[in-house]
Amino acid sequence: QVQLVQSGAEVKKPGSSVRVSCKASGGTFSSYAISWVRQAPGQGLEWMGGIIPVSGTAKYAQKFQGRLTINADKSTGTAYMELRSLRSEDSAVYYCASGPQRPSPNYFYYMDDWGSGTTVTVSS
Amino acid sequence: DIQMTQSPSSVSASVGDRVTITCQASQALTRYLAWYQQKPGKAPKLLIYSASNLQSGVPSRFSGGGSGTDYTLTISSLQPEDFATYYCQQANSFPPTFGGGTKVEMK
Repeated sequence: QVQLVQSGAEVKKPGSSVRVSCKASGGTFSSYAISWVRQAPGQGLEWMGGIIPVSGTAKYAQKFQGRLTINADKSTGTAYMELRSLRSEDSAVYYCASGPQRPSPNYFYYMDDWGSGTTVTVSS
Repeated sequence: DIQMTQSPSSVSASVGDRVTITCQASQALTRYLAWYQQKPGKAPKLLIYSASNLQSGVPSRFSGGGSGTDYTLTISSLQPEDFATYYCQQANSFPPTFGGGTKVEMK
């Protein structure tokens, strides 16, 4: 089982960027896939993108292409998610989650360990 | 992207009831289907993967089934701690996508 510890809540202005970290422990960081999933208030779950730390391959949902960057530092076992050009609709809880890798082109499968979430509020 | 349609969106049930939630995919999944439980203010918890495999530590009253485009999550005898929202998720093709959720409420 992997423990995922996320960075704290953020309040951002529209048009700015936010960077959320996710530190993994208790497992082999490079052996699994890390996904980022968000949940707007009262809404469902939305997969944003993810990374395969062993290769550094990052993949993004089309909706977030060009605005989202995910990377990982294998030396510290930490993944990062940066979302740019924030708007009010980006206010949500952002989760990192880990799970098994799948071969290309799918890369991602189910997510069996989750962080506790980071609340990002975008407000002027 | 594969669209996942869950039904019902909410269900009212009593302790001891059998509850079944369905998830329909816009294309066949070859069983790359997972189910999660989420309680208010908490992260989702994996219940079932590969359509019917019970995640370690999950009570056996939870079961998953289905094939092709149609999948089910069944709670055989609802317990007080099972009142929550449930989501399906496909990983058959990129990107992974979730269903809209089913809220299981107390009758």
